[in-house]
Amino acid sequence: DVKVTQSSRYLVKRTGEKVFLECVQDMDHENMFWYRQDPGLGLRLIYFSYDVKMKEKGDIPEGYSVSREKKERFSLILESASTNQTSMYLCASSLQGGSYNSPLHFGNGTRLTVT
Amino acid sequence: AQKVTQAQTEISVVEKEDVTLDCVYETRDTTYYLFWYKQPPSGELVFLIRRNSFDEQNEISGRYSWNFQKSTSSFNFTITASQVVDSAVYFCALSPTRGNQFYFGTGTSLTVIP
Repeated sequence: DVKVTQSSRYLVKRTGEKVFLECVQDMDHENMFWYRQDPGLGLRLIYFSYDVKMKEKGDIPEGYSVSREKKERFSLILESASTNQTSMYLCASSLQGGSYNSPLHFGNGTRLTVT
Repeated sequence: AQKVTQAQTEISVVEKEDVTLDCVYETRDTTYYLFWYKQPPSGELVFLIRRNSFDEQNEISGRYSWNFQKSTSSFNFTITASQVVDSAVYFCALSPTRGNQFYFGTGTSLTVIP
């Protein structure tokens, strides 16, 4: 089974701090994604990456950046955390393209609180 | 534009009742995939089913069944004889064949009361 591991289940940070959320997958998937989940808004895509050192903005990239130096690891960075970034963050991975769209495999999520 | 609508925010049923979760999508793509995911209280979204736009056959897997109707742009999910373990948030998602993006609905929170 694919395993997507997010380094922290819960995080509490102060406004203005630089925050790193780490995600590692063990199935050699090309694609990796960061979503945030908020009540009533569902899952919104922040960034995704389809290859090492490649990244694409999703629907809500403002205030975030990402890093993918190795295929298995995709980091989400909050350069200067703000209270409106308090949310559940979900990492996912999937196989690259082909003739069908591979399903996403998700981690357990990181619940970030910014105070 | 790509959009998925799950109009039911919360549903409560008594154990053993059947329940249908609605999903309506919008896309201009002619080929696409539809997905359902389950998010139990533990938080991890679990993949349930994928259906491509050329396959309108309904599917049944145990107590779960899915009804895909392209004419109404709907991909509804029915749980038969619901159980407490079915309590979760369920998400419907659309993924056009072009690109790797997924578009999620806002989810339906299902509570099964014992």
